[in-house]
Amino acid sequence: DAKTTQPNSMESNEEEPVHLPCNHSTISGTDYIHWYRQLPSQGPEYVIHGLTSNVNNRMASLAIAEDRKSSTLILHRATLRDAAVYYCILRDRRTDSWGKLQFGAGTQVVVTP
Amino acid sequence: EPEVTQTPSHQVTQMGQEVILRCVPISNHLYFYWYRQILGQKVEFLVSFYNNEISEKSEIFDDQFSVERPDGSNFTLKIRSTKLEDSAMYFCASSDSGLGSNSPLHFGNGTRLTVT
Repeated sequence: DAKTTQPNSMESNEEEPVHLPCNHSTISGTDYIHWYRQLPSQGPEYVIHGLTSNVNNRMASLAIAEDRKSSTLILHRATLRDAAVYYCILRDRRTDSWGKLQFGAGTQVVVTP
Repeated sequence: EPEVTQTPSHQVTQMGQEVILRCVPISNHLYFYWYRQILGQKVEFLVSFYNNEISEKSEIFDDQFSVERPDGSNFTLKIRSTKLEDSAMYFCASSDSGLGSNSPLHFGNGTRLTVT
């Protein structure tokens, strides 16, 4: 799987938007961009995924660059509960390794009241 | 919302002992996984399981490890003879689809294994 690069940490004030960048310059045409997060003392939790178009769901939005070499996860109004490590993961659903998510170090999001 | 449940939440064992970590995946899911996270390190894939057999395993998943779906609801990870370096948080996950889908993995909250 292609690798991703994320900042180690980001800080935000409560109720403000958070933009989490992810670089994946070696992404292949069949790689989907997945985001998971891990709250303290919990297992990873799926957030969102996309291929080319921007995506929205109840948790977040995903903005994907036109060349797909980068993407941004957007939390529209950060709450204290959003404090977690956020992982950007590329997933090629054609391969036999479809269940093998490659977690990096992720971005630690700190939300300040 | 359905969830993956894992028991126990914390298991302490002595080096060389066998441990079994238990998971109840989401009921209509067919694909099952184990991951682990050593304290302060990344989440690592161990094994995926479908149709009563291992689909893929990592280098970590050596002969000391085994998985089983003993009945229609449980999914277990056995470590035959634990080592100190097996101390980690072990996460079970499940998904409803596999190859060719983007079905997300649903993770449990883990079992913390401490080997003394």
